[in-house]
This record gives sequence, structure tokens and C-alpha cells, in this order.
Amino acid sequence: DAKTTQPPSMDCAEGRAANLPCNHSTISGNEYVYWYRQIHSQGPQYIIHGLKNNETNEMASLIITEDRKSSTLILPHATLRDTAVYYCIVSLGGSARQLTFGSGTQLTVLP
Amino acid sequence: EPEVTQTPSHQVTQMGQEVILRCVPISNHLYFYWYRQILGQKVEFLVSFYNNEISEKSEIFDDQFSVERPDGSNFTLKIRSTKLEDSAMYFCASSGRRSSYEQYFGPGTRLTVT
Repeated sequence: DAKTTQPPSMDCAEGRAANLPCNHSTISGNEYVYWYRQIHSQGPQYIIHGLKNNETNEMASLIITEDRKSSTLILPHATLRDTAVYYCIVSLGGSARQLTFGSGTQLTVLP
Repeated sequence: EPEVTQTPSHQVTQMGQEVILRCVPISNHLYFYWYRQILGQKVEFLVSFYNNEISEKSEIFDDQFSVERPDGSNFTLKIRSTKLEDSAMYFCASSGRRSSYEQYFGPGTRLTVT
């Protein structure tokens, strides 16, 4: 699986958009970008994934650059409950695939 | 909303003892996983399981570990002869159809080996 690089920490004001960057310059053509988050040692929670196109769901949006070497997770209106460690993971698609978690970005949403 | 459950939430055991961590995956899911997270460290993959067989396992998952789906609902991780370094949070996860990319994680079992 390709390696990812994320900033160790970020702050965001409550109600504002949180933009979390991820670099994955060695991503291969059939690898997906996944985002998970972990709130205070709870089990990781799936957020969104994408291959080439931008994706949006009820939780977030995922913007992938045209060369696929980086992506940004956008939480449009961050709340205090979004304070968590956010993990960007690159992996082949499909089930029974292991997820390789890095250190992630600690997002702190400030009141 | 269906969720993965794990029992117990906290298990304390003495070094050298055997422990079994239990998980109930989401009912229509077919793929099951165990991960662990040592305090302050990254979440690490241990093993994936499908159709009553191990699909993938990491270097961590040595002969000390085994997994089983003893019935239609439970998925267990057995650790034989526990060591101090096995102390960690153990997360079970499950995922659905072959095309599902989402793994759903349980709340974890905190294992403390003394």
C-alpha cells in the first residue's frame, strides 16, 4: 500500500469548514483513498473513500487532485464532536483488505 | 443502526494465561477483522477472515493467536499464553459484500496483562 503523509495536528473553529490534507504521491492506479476517524480511543469510523473523482456523503467531501498524489477531506461545518484523529489510508479496494493506519491528523474543533 | 459489539469491554489477565476476546459482527456481513492498538500507538492490523478461513494476517499474528467463528454470530480472537506486550485495545471489524469498502469497527476490548 502507498504511504500517506498528514500533518500531525490542526485546529478548526466550530461551524467552519475543516480541510484536512493528505499526500500520497506513490499511489498506484488501482488504489483507493479512504478516510477514517477515531474519537478518543473508540473504534475507528469510516468516513468516505474515492478512486479518482471527488466524492460527497452526509459526513464529508473528498477532493482528489487530478494526478491523485494528494487529497483533502472537507468537513463542511465542524462541530465539537468532530474532534478526533483523522486517518488517510491508501489501499486496494474490496473486502478482506487490511487497512494500514498511520499516525493521522489530530483535529481539534474549538468553540 | 446495526453495529459491531465486543465483549468484554475490559479484560485483565495474568501473564501466561489464555484469553478469548469476543465480537458479534453486523449480521449480514461476510468479512471479519481484528486490529489492535497499543496505548499511544497506531492501529495495527492483525487478521482478516472470510468463509471460515484466514484471508490475510500480519507478522504480529503468530502462533500465539487464533481466530474462530464458532457459530453464525460470534467471531473470536484467542491469545494463548499472554505476554505483557499483548496489553492493548483490540478492535473487531466487519464488512459486507465483496464490493464493500467500509469496515465497521466495534468499541474495542481493553486487554491488560499483568
